[in-house]
Amino acid sequence: GQSLEQPSEVTAVEGAIVQINCTYQTSGFYGLSWYQQHDGGAPTFLSYNALDGLEETGRFSSFLSRSDSYGYLLLQELQMKDSASYFCASDSNYQLIWGAGTKLIIKP
Amino acid sequence: DTEVTQTPKHLVMGMTNKKSLKCEQHMGHRAMYWYKQKAKKPPELMFVYSYEKLSINESVPSRFSPECPNSSLLNLHLHALQPEDSALYLCASSQDREGTDNEQFFGPGTRLTVL
Repeated sequence: GQSLEQPSEVTAVEGAIVQINCTYQTSGFYGLSWYQQHDGGAPTFLSYNALDGLEETGRFSSFLSRSDSYGYLLLQELQMKDSASYFCASDSNYQLIWGAGTKLIIKP
Repeated sequence: DTEVTQTPKHLVMGMTNKKSLKCEQHMGHRAMYWYKQKAKKPPELMFVYSYEKLSINESVPSRFSPECPNSSLLNLHLHALQPEDSALYLCASSQDREGTDNEQFFGPGTRLTVL
C-alpha cells in the first residue's frame, strides 16, 4: 500500500529548532511536499523536494533522501504563530498522498 | 491573483436537500481538486480535473457530483447526503498535474454540516 508516517505531535519551545520526520512508502514517487495548516484554516504549501538534499526557505528547510524514503521539515527560530499541523505529502502518480499530520505545540 | 475562493463558507443542509459548492481560481491553473477533510485528519482526495476533464475519481459516492464548467471554475453538487458527510470541503488548484513541484493552492474551504 501507499503510506507516509510522521509523528502525531511534537512540542518545542519558542525560539528553538524542531525537526518533523516523514518516512514514506509510495509507488511512482516524484517528490515530497510539506504543508502547514492552522486550526480552522486551509493547508498552505511550504516546500517541495524532488531531489536529494536540503531546500531552504527562510526559517524553514526541508530535506529528502530518496534512497532512505525519508524526509524532514526543519523549523528554526520557532514563533508562536508556527503552532499548527504539518503534513508531509508524497507526489506520486500525479496526486498527493498525505501523511496523517504532526501537530506542533510551541510553549513560551 | 494567487487566491482560490470558495463559496459558501458554511453550509447546513438536510439529507434530502440539493446544494452546490463553488470554487474559483484565476491563476491560469489547469488542474483543480476537491478534497474532504475531517477534524484532525489529512485532506482526502475526492476528484481531480486536469484541463477541464475529470481525471481522478477516488471511488466517491454518487451523491457527490463534480462539474468543471471552465478552466477557472469547479463545482461540487451535493444530493441526499448523510450525516457522516459533514466535513470541511477544500478546493485546490495547481499549475497542472505534471508540474515541477505540483504546489497546490487551497481555498479556505466550505464547512458542511448534514443534519
